Amino acid sequence: DIQMTQSPASLSASLGETVSIECLPSEGISNDLAWYQQKSGKSPQLLIYAASRLQDGVPSRFSGSGSGTRYSLKISGMQREDEADYFCQQSYKYPYTFGAGTKLELK
Amino acid sequence: EVQLVESGGSLVQPGGSLKLSCVASGFTFSNYWLDWVRQTPGKSLEWIGEINTDGSKTNYAPSIKDRFTISRDNAKSTLYLQMSNVKSDDTAIYYCTRYYGYIDYWGQGVMVTVSS
Repeated sequence: DIQMTQSPASLSASLGETVSIECLPSEGISNDLAWYQQKSGKSPQLLIYAASRLQDGVPSRFSGSGSGTRYSLKISGMQREDEADYFCQQSYKYPYTFGAGTKLELK
Repeated sequence: EVQLVESGGSLVQPGGSLKLSCVASGFTFSNYWLDWVRQTPGKSLEWIGEINTDGSKTNYAPSIKDRFTISRDNAKSTLYLQMSNVKSDDTAIYYCTRYYGYIDYWGQGVMVTVSS
């Protein structure tokens, strides 16, 4: 199975601050990577697919980048509503696997 | 609006069986692969498996293979997850999801608790 190492496990950010979350697959996944946001008590929602493509309706402060075995999600200007858990997932090889998640809190 | 509504979650004893359903609306059901994903009480997400558009092909995670079966009824726009010989580790929220190269929509989830 492809292991998805996600970091940090948690972080806190001030309003307007730029934050980054990293995901390191144990092998190359050819940009078959998605990022999800999960707010408390809700289902995950798709933010980014194909490593860098923004899902319709997602604010442009969210961006994804990376290739091979290193991917990242960036939030350019933390907003109160961005407080949530974030997960990466690879859909390159079965079984599809997720990162352990990052808890983002407002400082 | 895409909607996925799961049902069938409950408390089940170890070794027992349970069948989850997911009714879809807001899109052409038969055009999409569908996946099941679960989230443990510790919040880890685990992909369980998927089914292709006409139900002729399935793929499963090793952890549940031979115990869980995914099926669908395109006439009813419904996805199913048959769970057998359940274990305490199967305790989780189960999500029905739509797959399009990536998971683009998730249901609200249904809780399954395995305990005696």
